[in-house]
Amino acid sequence: ELKVEQNPLFLSMQEGKNYTIYCNYSTTSDRLYWYRQDPGKSLESLFVLLSNGAVKQEGRLMASLDTKARLSTLHITAAVHDLSATYFCAVDMGGNKLVFGAGTILRVKS
Amino acid sequence: EPEVTQTPSHQVTQMGQEVILRCVPISNHLYFYWYRQILGQKVEFLVSFYNNEISEKSEIFDDQFSVERPDGSNFTLKIRSTKLEDSAMYFCASTNTRDRDTFGSGTRLTVV
Repeated sequence: ELKVEQNPLFLSMQEGKNYTIYCNYSTTSDRLYWYRQDPGKSLESLFVLLSNGAVKQEGRLMASLDTKARLSTLHITAAVHDLSATYFCAVDMGGNKLVFGAGTILRVKS
Repeated sequence: EPEVTQTPSHQVTQMGQEVILRCVPISNHLYFYWYRQILGQKVEFLVSFYNNEISEKSEIFDDQFSVERPDGSNFTLKIRSTKLEDSAMYFCASTNTRDRDTFGSGTRLTVV
């Protein structure tokens, strides 16, 4: 059974600081997703990572994938308050059957 | 920007009743999904649907659940004989490439 672990589960950071969220998974997969969820809202797709060494960046967020280590990271650069949300990684078991991590609640303090 | 539309936004039902949750995916999308999220918990995959049939389903998606694409635009999730533990947010999502998917705003199901 595929297990997906995110850490930290809660992250409180100051504006302007950098930090990384980690997503480890237990079996081979060729596809990993990152999502953002604001409180009481739906999920917004941020990144899809398709191959080993894939790196994608959008704004202050950058995601990477190391399939050999079964690890993805979501790096936040110079955080701003608007980035406060819950971030989920999800791993494709095949056929687009996704297993989600528990989520990382990010709070950016001014 | 195209959206995935879900109705109703909130449904309250008695335990044991049947509910149908409705979704209108983005029109040129080919892959459709249902997920659920129990309050404060992680998102759980229920089922994926492609070419008018189920392509994958999770252990949660047992005989109590079914999906249909009745008219080529709607995509429904039926839950028969609801239980208290079915209370959750149910999200529909669609995509055309198995790449970035678009989620609907969700239906909050409350079973009393």
